[in-house]
Amino acid sequence: DVKVTQSSRYLVKRTGEKVFLECVQDMDHENMFWYRQDPGLGLRLIYFSYDVKMKEKGDIPEGYSVSREKKERFSLILESASTNQTSMYLCASSLGSGSYEQYFGPGTRLTVT
Amino acid sequence: QKEVEQDPGPLSVPEGAIVSLNCTYSNSAFQYFMWYRQYSRKGPELLMYTYSSGNKEDGRFTAQVDKSSKYISLFIRDSQPSDSATYLCAMSPDPGGYQKVTFGTGTKLQVIP
Repeated sequence: DVKVTQSSRYLVKRTGEKVFLECVQDMDHENMFWYRQDPGLGLRLIYFSYDVKMKEKGDIPEGYSVSREKKERFSLILESASTNQTSMYLCASSLGSGSYEQYFGPGTRLTVT
Repeated sequence: QKEVEQDPGPLSVPEGAIVSLNCTYSNSAFQYFMWYRQYSRKGPELLMYTYSSGNKEDGRFTAQVDKSSKYISLFIRDSQPSDSATYLCAMSPDPGGYQKVTFGTGTKLQVIP
C-alpha cells in the first residue's frame, strides 16, 4: 500500500515567515508533486520533481520553491508567507515516466495571518 | 476558459439513486481520463481511469468517455451514504516522459440515507 505522509495537518503562520512543508512517500516513486487546492479553483500544480535534485515549475510556482535531496522526500518552501497563500496543500507521488496514477497525502491546511 | 469544466454541485441524492457526474474539456490532446474521490479532510484517491473513448465498469461505478463531444461521465449505481465525497475528474495526454494531469474543480456529492 502506497503511503504519502505530510508533516502537518494544520499550520498557522504569520505574514513574512518562511514556511516548510514536508512530504514523504514510502514506495520508491520517481515523481513527486505539490498542489494547492482552493474552492472553485480545484487542484493547481505548484512544482513537481521527476528525480532527486530535479524540479520543474508547475502552473503557479510564484512565491514557492522546492527541495528534493532524497528520493522519498519532497519539501515545499514558502520563502515569505503571504495571506494569499492560505490554502490546502497536497503532496502526491507517482511511479515514474508514463505513470498517470498519483497517490496523494492527507493535505496540510495552511493559514497565513 | 478552463481546460476542464466540472459542476461544483453540491449534488444531493437519496440512497439507492443513480448518480451521474460529468466533466467537459477543451484540450483534444487528452487521452487518459480519470476520476478521483476525495473524502472530507483527506487527499484524493484514484477511483477509475479510462484510455481514449469508451466505457469502463467497476462494480457500481461506470466511467464513460465521449471524445467527439469532449465529455466524460461517472455513473454510480445504487448509491450509498459512503459514496458521499467530492469527485474530481482528471485528464492527461499520452504518456511520454512526465505526464501533466489537469484536474477539474470537483463535484460534491451527498447521498442521503
